[in-house]
Amino acid sequence: AAGVIQSPRHLIKEKRETATLKCYPIPRHDTVYWYQQGPGQDPQFLISFYEKMQSDKGSIPDRFSAQQFSDYHSELNMSSLELGDSALYFCASSLSEHEQYFGPGTRLTVT
Amino acid sequence: AQTVTQSQPEMSVQEAETVTLSCTYDTSESNYYLFWYKQPPSRQMILVIRQEAYKQQNATENRFSVNFQKAAKSFSLKISDSQLGDTAMYFCAFMKPAYSGAGSYQLTFGKGTKLSVIP
Repeated sequence: AAGVIQSPRHLIKEKRETATLKCYPIPRHDTVYWYQQGPGQDPQFLISFYEKMQSDKGSIPDRFSAQQFSDYHSELNMSSLELGDSALYFCASSLSEHEQYFGPGTRLTVT
Repeated sequence: AQTVTQSQPEMSVQEAETVTLSCTYDTSESNYYLFWYKQPPSRQMILVIRQEAYKQQNATENRFSVNFQKAAKSFSLKISDSQLGDTAMYFCAFMKPAYSGAGSYQLTFGKGTKLSVIP
């Protein structure tokens, strides 16, 4: 069965640079979520999209933005990167209120 | 806001034995969803089991079962016949009810329980 695809899997950036993370949800899933998991932490909800419209927002910094495109893939854009942004970023998808399936994550390291 | 508490930061179990991981949560909602996710050393988040609050019957998936006590707001995970591959961080998660609005189904996670299966 198809799973959630995330790219890149690893990303190294310097402070103040910009990063773009991509997510391709499971086909026919209508909702995409982004989570951030810091070292030794639980995942924290950032933002979600339902049918290409932003549907919910969590603890996402103003430096971050996201969108979902017509083909349902989503991108998380992160600007003015800080050392504290180093984390594992997960994308998940679901069919409405059903269970969320997570991608493998993108490990972002900010130096 | 909902909170999820996992009071056991670390646990260990002998291979083939049974172990129970605890989870409590706080919410004013009457209908919601609860999940257990497993995160092995690969860091992949894997869904283990799901429980709808309106269902009285406890969910079961092969060796994994839950004890859902709605009045006590408790949702424990029992792993039977533990295997080495069960070694992982286990997260309990709460999801808002469906009537919160389409797409508003963010998960709130507990801090996790690190489970080690000993050969």
